[in-house]
Amino acid sequence: GAGVSQSPSNKVTEKGKDVELRCDPISGHTALYWYRQSLGQGLEFLIYFQGNSAPDKSGLPSDRFSAERTGGSVSTLTIQRTQQEDSAVYLCASSSLDNYGYTFGSGTRLTVV
Amino acid sequence: AQTVTQSQPEMSVQEAETVTLSCTYDTSESDYYLFWYKQPPSRQMILVIRQEAYKQQNATENRFSVNFQKAAKSFSLKISDSQLGDAAMYFCACDTNSGYALNFGKGTSLLVTP
Repeated sequence: GAGVSQSPSNKVTEKGKDVELRCDPISGHTALYWYRQSLGQGLEFLIYFQGNSAPDKSGLPSDRFSAERTGGSVSTLTIQRTQQEDSAVYLCASSSLDNYGYTFGSGTRLTVV
Repeated sequence: AQTVTQSQPEMSVQEAETVTLSCTYDTSESDYYLFWYKQPPSRQMILVIRQEAYKQQNATENRFSVNFQKAAKSFSLKISDSQLGDAAMYFCACDTNSGYALNFGKGTSLLVTP
């Protein structure tokens, strides 16, 4: 597509439930990134996929968080047993290898009640 | 890994005036790229400007320009002729091309007053 698409745009879930957030990157972009942005805060790196290489999971805050990228395209971020502190905007971005920066999606606002 | 510091949580500028947002970074790499991103209330991150570390010339994009001081590891953003639509969070970021994801500063909230 023309841009990075994220769904859903907003998600409200009950504490303890699992959620899945989806990211559809720009076609042809080999790299895909997930960031978390808490209210009024900066961007916290979560995970990075590059082509067929093993993902860099160094930013995942706990083992309740996982992500996969199927066929080198669409990615799903899964949060199990959600907690209130997981409430944030989850941003996905993709890039090519030319260091021209990332293209971001509009994010998913997750609210855990 | 690199660190990026934005020391101004908030800045304010009057319409048509000029404002400068500060950013410093720390990296041991010699080849890297620096970026400024804008995040309006819509929360869409938009790339404003990009600088390659090996280039001495400061990047410019219309009303946006940078002051890149490589020795001081400083990368400030100047917005000229500020417009109401420039109001947003601005994030500085560094990419060392070493296989790590972009590292962002904590952001500067820019308020533009009429």
